[in-house]
Amino acid sequence: AQKITQTQPGMFVQEKEAVTLDCTYDTSDPSYGLFWYKQPSSGEMIFLIYQGSYDQQNATEGRYSLNFQKARKSANLVISASQLGDSAMYFCAMREGSGGTSYGKLTFGQGTILTVHP
Amino acid sequence: GAVVSQHPSRVICKSGTSVKIECRSLDFQATTMFWYRQFPKQSLMLMATSNEGSKATYEQGVEKDKFLINHASLTLSTLTVTSAHPEDSSFYICSAGVGYQRETQYFGPGTRLLVL
Repeated sequence: AQKITQTQPGMFVQEKEAVTLDCTYDTSDPSYGLFWYKQPSSGEMIFLIYQGSYDQQNATEGRYSLNFQKARKSANLVISASQLGDSAMYFCAMREGSGGTSYGKLTFGQGTILTVHP
Repeated sequence: GAVVSQHPSRVICKSGTSVKIECRSLDFQATTMFWYRQFPKQSLMLMATSNEGSKATYEQGVEKDKFLINHASLTLSTLTVTSAHPEDSSFYICSAGVGYQRETQYFGPGTRLLVL
């Protein structure tokens, strides 16, 4: 079963508009972390935002915010005031557990290609 | 933020040869690094966890003898693709966690391998 699901293969948004990229996850571990990464065509993975399972407030980083709904197991990324440079592949990822030798490994969703139109 | 480098960024080799990819944490020590593989327009798939001073932990389905991982120091992990074949052509990317809880995972820029 998929642990991380991104149901939007592609999304389009007008420049300066806000866009929400969906991510749902599945885990029975009470301790986990959720990440969003941006991957432009160059291939580098750019860290955007992190949400811990015990965090009480939704994470925010500049124009990025994470809409964390724990009961629904969703962690949607909201990008406000989209820019042309935001066009890229976006991945949601999860880290499970709180220790061990493989602590820190990430499971990725399928990704969403975001295209920002001028 | 923390910087992770990878070398080479791109490599083309003949079938049957071995290729070594280096992953370095430039301004922090990483006891654990991770190696991922990504095919075009697909997601990243974890290959193995590289632990400094001990054997790597491989994910199910990843051949240990084909993808040799060595984590000789706190700043360097290497992935060697032995006897490479065209189906090994892919984008290989490493990452390292920063901080006690490793909340932030920083990735290297990746290595594009093409096996002819």
